[in-house]
Amino acid sequence: QQQVKQSPQSLIVQKGGISIINCAYENTAFDYFPWYQQFPGKGPALLIAIRPDVSEKKEGRFTISFNKSAKQFSLHIMDSQPGDSATYFCAASMVGNYGQNFVFGPGTRLSVLP
Amino acid sequence: EAGVTQFPSHSVIEKGQTVTLRCDPISGHDNLYWYRRVMGKEIKFLLHFVKESKQDESGMPNNRFLAERTGGTYSTLKVQPAELEDSGVYFCASSRWGGNTGELFFGEGSRLTVL
Repeated sequence: QQQVKQSPQSLIVQKGGISIINCAYENTAFDYFPWYQQFPGKGPALLIAIRPDVSEKKEGRFTISFNKSAKQFSLHIMDSQPGDSATYFCAASMVGNYGQNFVFGPGTRLSVLP
Repeated sequence: EAGVTQFPSHSVIEKGQTVTLRCDPISGHDNLYWYRRVMGKEIKFLLHFVKESKQDESGMPNNRFLAERTGGTYSTLKVQPAELEDSGVYFCASSRWGGNTGELFFGEGSRLTVL
């Protein structure tokens, strides 16, 4: 129940295309869903996040779509650029007995071809 | 403001040896987390400190792993004795205390290779 599933494992997109990464969770207690972006040799950094009371959140070229009933959420990168090439992790979070808990997906390696 | 710093960035040791990883969180961040990522797998939770107290260590694999956080500042993660399956990237992350909106700030990770 604490697992977050993520697909695809890797993704290759042409410059200007749309990149889509999907995630699914089981535990309905999760109430915060961030996406982290990691460049080689760096640590993951928060990209965008959403709460389940909204179905979509957009920040620039990055959009999260959230389907509460299906317990799924996805990241859409519009007009993908070579600089977007990185590993993307979806995550789910809730406040448990010991504070805020984060569960991460296995990551998607995105390559945007010039 | 300095970010989360981790040391060493890469460590190569032989099975049975000891390694100590260090993490300096962002100043003022009460929450400190340790995670591990084995190649291609998820970023897996190891443990969580609030200040100097271990809030949750349910993710620690076994008693070969020992984490401390001195005075609520920096933290160390010791693996003794190291086994082959301990190889991976160990991430430290910190956040401010409070609610369910805390952004995690990650360090660059310490890559551990056990031969």
